[in-house]
Amino acid sequence: GAVVSQHPSRVICKSGTSVKIECRSLDFQATTMFWYRQFPKQSLMLMATSNEGSKATYEQGVEKDKFLINHASLTLSTLTVTSAHPEDSSFYICSARDPGGGADTEAFFGQGTRLTVV
Amino acid sequence: LAKTTQPISMDSYEGQEVNITCSHNNIATNDYITWYQQFPSQGPRFIIQGYKTKVTNEVASLFIPADRKSSTLSLPRVSLSDTAVYYCLVGGSRQAGTALIFGKGTTLSVSS
Repeated sequence: GAVVSQHPSRVICKSGTSVKIECRSLDFQATTMFWYRQFPKQSLMLMATSNEGSKATYEQGVEKDKFLINHASLTLSTLTVTSAHPEDSSFYICSARDPGGGADTEAFFGQGTRLTVV
Repeated sequence: LAKTTQPISMDSYEGQEVNITCSHNNIATNDYITWYQQFPSQGPRFIIQGYKTKVTNEVASLFIPADRKSSTLSLPRVSLSDTAVYYCLVGGSRQAGTALIFGKGTTLSVSS
């Protein structure tokens, strides 16, 4: 089945630096990808919708200048956490659906990226 | 999107059947019901999806009564590896451009 791959799986960075997370659809083209954030023992929270060739759509309360999203191609979306702070430490997950998957298409999720800001 | 209510947690033993019920009183006519499973430090994984009556696959069964105001995910003979968080999602659009909105989920703990 369709696969979404996320990289890196784990990253530790210093406070004030930027971190880039990549999300790739491996065997389908995704014009739209989604970025979620998950804090410990909480559910996934939608951060933004990444659109190929256009600006991302951010959910209320998510700072677009802090969480930069670039959907450069039909198979790659990147999330850059800029000027990271300890409170940005979280589990970041991307998702995409195969537009050619038919009416029953399920959503595929990446493996997630554990970001720790020290 | 229809709001869903699930138990926060459930406990079971290996070999037992586990049924997790989700309430969705405001489900719309074109809404489907989908369940996802999430292990710690991993992304969610699709389990099963249905619209009405019963759906069964190699992993689980999904029971949906006629009024569709609730649904029950049934996991036959659970094992320790079924310990995970299970999310019930209700929505009408399964198109590629529509994001999934997750509720709190049910944490299932399976013991030996």
